[in-house]
Amino acid sequence: GAVVSQHPSWVICKSGTSVKIECRSLDFQATTMFWYRQFPKQSLMLMATSNEGSKATYEQGVEKDKFLINHASLTLSTLTVTSAHPEDSSFYICSARDRTGDNYGYTFGSGTRLTVV
Amino acid sequence: QQQVKQSPQSLIVQKGGIPIINCAYENTAFDYFPWYQQFPGKGPALLIAIRPDVSEKKEGRFTISFNKSAKQFSLHIMDSQPGDSATYFCAASASRNTPLVFGKGTRLSVIA
Repeated sequence: GAVVSQHPSWVICKSGTSVKIECRSLDFQATTMFWYRQFPKQSLMLMATSNEGSKATYEQGVEKDKFLINHASLTLSTLTVTSAHPEDSSFYICSARDRTGDNYGYTFGSGTRLTVV
Repeated sequence: QQQVKQSPQSLIVQKGGIPIINCAYENTAFDYFPWYQQFPGKGPALLIAIRPDVSEKKEGRFTISFNKSAKQFSLHIMDSQPGDSATYFCAASASRNTPLVFGKGTRLSVIA
């Protein structure tokens, strides 16, 4: 089945630094990828939708200059948290959409636990 | 506005029991209804999904019941096991071009 690889699985960074999270579709081409954020014991909240070769669409309240999303190829999307602050600490999860998948192709990565100290 | 309402928030059942988790939606454009299982520190994994043209779907011990007129769907886990202890999310999507909308999740504990 479709596999989405997300790295790193966890990262600790200092306040003010930037962190990049990668999301790769391993055995399919992903025209669309979604980035979610999940706080402890809460649901997944959509941050943005990215389409290969075009700018990401951000949800209301998500700072596009803080959460930079790049989807330069059909197998890779990256989320960069710029000038990270402790309130950015969260669990970030990507989802890639397989163009040919029957289940609408929503395959999720294993998530990245970001801790900003 | 929450588009998919999920209940209960938490659930404790004994091994072998049949936990039932319910979801309700308002958007009649939704046409894809998956259930995801998530373990701590992991991404959600698809369990089972249904389209509105059927009222029930079974895959192994997991069953989705769908009531289109009531705009409700539910997950039943047969012969539940301690290994089923996890958080379960219902979700919905309006088309292949839109992201999933998630319910708030149900924390299931199956005790031996």
